[in-house]
Amino acid sequence: KQEVTQIPAALSVPEGENLVLNCSFTDSAIYNLQWFRQDPGKGLTSLLLIQSSQREQTSGRLNASLDKSSGRSTLYIAASQPGDSATYLCAVFNFGNEKLTFGTGTRLTIIP
Amino acid sequence: DTEVTQTPKHLVMGMTNKKSLKCEQHMGHRAMYWYKQKAKKPPELMFVYSYEKLSINESVPSRFSPECPNSSLLNLHLHALQPEDSALYLCASSPISGQGRNTEAFFGQGTRLTVV
Repeated sequence: KQEVTQIPAALSVPEGENLVLNCSFTDSAIYNLQWFRQDPGKGLTSLLLIQSSQREQTSGRLNASLDKSSGRSTLYIAASQPGDSATYLCAVFNFGNEKLTFGTGTRLTIIP
Repeated sequence: DTEVTQTPKHLVMGMTNKKSLKCEQHMGHRAMYWYKQKAKKPPELMFVYSYEKLSINESVPSRFSPECPNSSLLNLHLHALQPEDSALYLCASSPISGQGRNTEAFFGQGTRLTVV
């Protein structure tokens, strides 16, 4: 059974700093990995999708990397802003079925 | 259009009521999902429909009954729920996985359900 863990569970950083969120998964037979953000009480917004054959993806200030063999992904946020405050979730799409399994989430607070 | 629309946004129901949650997408996705999310927890998969057929049921109690009437619509029928079923219910859609296919999933804003 796929298990996805995110460390740290919560993170507070001053505005303007760069930061890294971590995601690890136990079963490397994945089709892709997706990063989402979730604002309190809201749905999930897709940030980045990395196919299993890719090493990284970039969108604006966000850069996500994937090391499938070691079961790890990172989300790098450059020049953080208060609007980046949210919960960030990674999710893996398991090969062979249609299951998207979520990580435990990191609650990020950017301090103005 | 990458939107998944869920209605209603909020729902309060009694334990003897019958209600339905609705989800709609027009991206041509042939996989649709229901997830349940409790406060401060990640979403948990409930059901998956592939080509309008139920492909995964994660041992969900029968008081939750999914339905996929066509490729754009997904319903979740609720009956005799318990207070512990109160949660955010999220609908998602994605293309069917396959060689060389992008399987990016898109989520709706959710229905906040309160059972009293």
